[in-house]
Amino acid sequence: DAKTTQPNSMESNEEEPVHLPCNHSTISGTDYIHWYRQLPSQGPEYVIHGLTSNVNNRMASLAIAEDRKSSTLILHRATLRDAAVYYCILRGRGSGSARQLTFGSGTQLTVLP
Amino acid sequence: NAGVTQTPKFQVLKTGQSMTLQCAQDMNHNSMYWYRQDPGMGLRLIYYSASEGTTDKGEVPNGYNVSRLNKREFSLRLESAAPSQTSVYFCASRDRAYTEAFFGQGTRLTVV
Repeated sequence: DAKTTQPNSMESNEEEPVHLPCNHSTISGTDYIHWYRQLPSQGPEYVIHGLTSNVNNRMASLAIAEDRKSSTLILHRATLRDAAVYYCILRGRGSGSARQLTFGSGTQLTVLP
Repeated sequence: NAGVTQTPKFQVLKTGQSMTLQCAQDMNHNSMYWYRQDPGMGLRLIYYSASEGTTDKGEVPNGYNVSRLNKREFSLRLESAAPSQTSVYFCASRDRAYTEAFFGQGTRLTVV
């Protein structure tokens, strides 16, 4: 699997937007970009994923660079409940190693009241 | 809608004891996974099963065995528990390689 690089930690003020970056310079043309988050003492939960175009859902937006070598998860208005570790993961469509789902160390987001 | 259910939620074992962690999903997913998460660390893949009847090693398989009992159930067995296996264990499932995965709430295992 191609590797991703994320900052270890970030802080945000409540009700302000948060931009969580992810670098993936070795991404292949068929890799999807997935984001998960893990709230304290819980299992990871899916946030959003995309391939080339920017994506929006009820939780967040995903902005993908034109060359696909980086992406940004955008939380439009951070709440205290958004404090979590956010993981950026690349997922291929092929067989073999693409069957695995590999997590890095993620970004710890702290939301300040 | 239960999703992914893990049992037990908590367990304390003595060194050398054996136990099986159970995982069941009700979403008719093909693929299932077992991860461990040590304090302050990310998740590491132990074993996965891409479909019923198949299992493959992940990043840290030593000391573990798995069984894909049927499409719904994927169990993780510790034959002789060691303190190094103290961790939180997560089971996950998903339908296809590039779709979202669903995780259970975890099993907190302590080996003393």
